[in-house]
Amino acid sequence: EAQVTQNPRYLITVTGKKLTVTCSQNMNHEYMSWYRQDPGLGLRQIYYSMNVEVTDKGDVPEGYKVSRKEKRNFPLILESPSPNQTSLYFCASKTWGEETQYFGPGTRLLVL
Amino acid sequence: GDSVTQMEGPVTLSEEAFLTINCTYTATGYPSLFWYVQYPGEGLQLLLKATKADDKGSNKGFEATYRKETTSFHLEKGSVQVSDSAVYFCALSDFNDYKLSFGAGTTVTVRA
Repeated sequence: EAQVTQNPRYLITVTGKKLTVTCSQNMNHEYMSWYRQDPGLGLRQIYYSMNVEVTDKGDVPEGYKVSRKEKRNFPLILESPSPNQTSLYFCASKTWGEETQYFGPGTRLLVL
Repeated sequence: GDSVTQMEGPVTLSEEAFLTINCTYTATGYPSLFWYVQYPGEGLQLLLKATKADDKGSNKGFEATYRKETTSFHLEKGSVQVSDSAVYFCALSDFNDYKLSFGAGTTVTVRA
């Protein structure tokens, strides 16, 4: 089944404790992206990647890192999480020439 | 930059009522337009899309027409069901961009 998977689905952590949210897709998509969803703000892009070893900032990149060492994986790293990063995070992917993005199930993060 | 404005919710309806969610956009190019739906506890699913002016997207009884003259992409369904209760997001993608720009989302609740 074609899908985007994220892990974990739910995470509670404390301020300053480094964490990684994994994202994997099995559709051989070149493009991958991370969004955060906050009430009243919709989804905002954090980082995106056009292919392996190619990443760039989105609209709200502060406090986040990403890497793209393999085509299928695009982890989101919070090196020192803060409470304002409490949010619902979505990974998405698409292939070139296609505008539709496919979303993962989301990761709900609470930073205390 | 590109932006999307959609009507604020929440919207509460009775079964078999008519649903309209307004969406207008601002874009410098010729964007593609999307409606995504998020059912309770789930990720985002593409509901429908339109890639050029006057195109009509449709799926699951929902329709939206790309109106370039009014920069709008309003979502409609003639007879809603309880299972249509969800958050609906209007979004646009400019082919030269590498992201989706989302509206704030509209929460729809359908009562039996």
